[in-house]
Amino acid sequence: QQQVKQSPQSLIVQKGGISIINCAYENTAFDYFPWYQQFPGKGPALLIAIRPDVSEKKEGRFTISFNKSAKQFSLHIMDSQPGDSATYFCAASLNSGYSTLTFGKGTMLLVSP
Amino acid sequence: DGGITQSPKYLFRKEGQNVTLSCEQNLNHDAMYWYRQDPGQGLRLIYYSQIVNDFQKGDIAEGYSVSREKKESFPLTVTSAQKNPTAFYLCASRPLSGSSYNEQFFGPGTRLTVL
Repeated sequence: QQQVKQSPQSLIVQKGGISIINCAYENTAFDYFPWYQQFPGKGPALLIAIRPDVSEKKEGRFTISFNKSAKQFSLHIMDSQPGDSATYFCAASLNSGYSTLTFGKGTMLLVSP
Repeated sequence: DGGITQSPKYLFRKEGQNVTLSCEQNLNHDAMYWYRQDPGQGLRLIYYSQIVNDFQKGDIAEGYSVSREKKESFPLTVTSAQKNPTAFYLCASRPLSGSSYNEQFFGPGTRLTVL
């Protein structure tokens, strides 16, 4: 079964610190890797995504690092803020309009004031 | 406003009853998806549809049914055969062409509770 393994399950970071969430995948054919952010009682929202032709992508305080040989990718949140407290999901899929996303189980991030 | 709407926001069901969750999108997206979310389980795919009048089972389709009679609508029926239906249900859609074809957008969700 195609899997995406996400860690840690939960994370507490102080305001201003760096939050790091890691994901590992098995299917080497995956070539689209998005991260979603979900607040309690809401639907997930696409945060940032990367394809394996680059090793890093940055959007504001959010950075994805990608290691193709290790089949791992991670989300870094710089200068973490209490408003970043949410559940984060990594996912992976084939780069095809007809593929489906395989999600990690999520990381609950709490940024303490 | 363009987006995905799900209704109702909260739904209560007695055991043995079928219930239907609504999902509508005005994004002109081709594909639509239903996910189930349980605490600590991530998002699990129930059904998806890439074209009107066609749909495929996801990883946990047992006890659920769908229809796709219109491009904009993808209702999910939770049948009495679903043994543990209490969960948060999420509908999503995405285009199958264009620069954003990999971007999947989610609705606000429906929380179903079986009494």
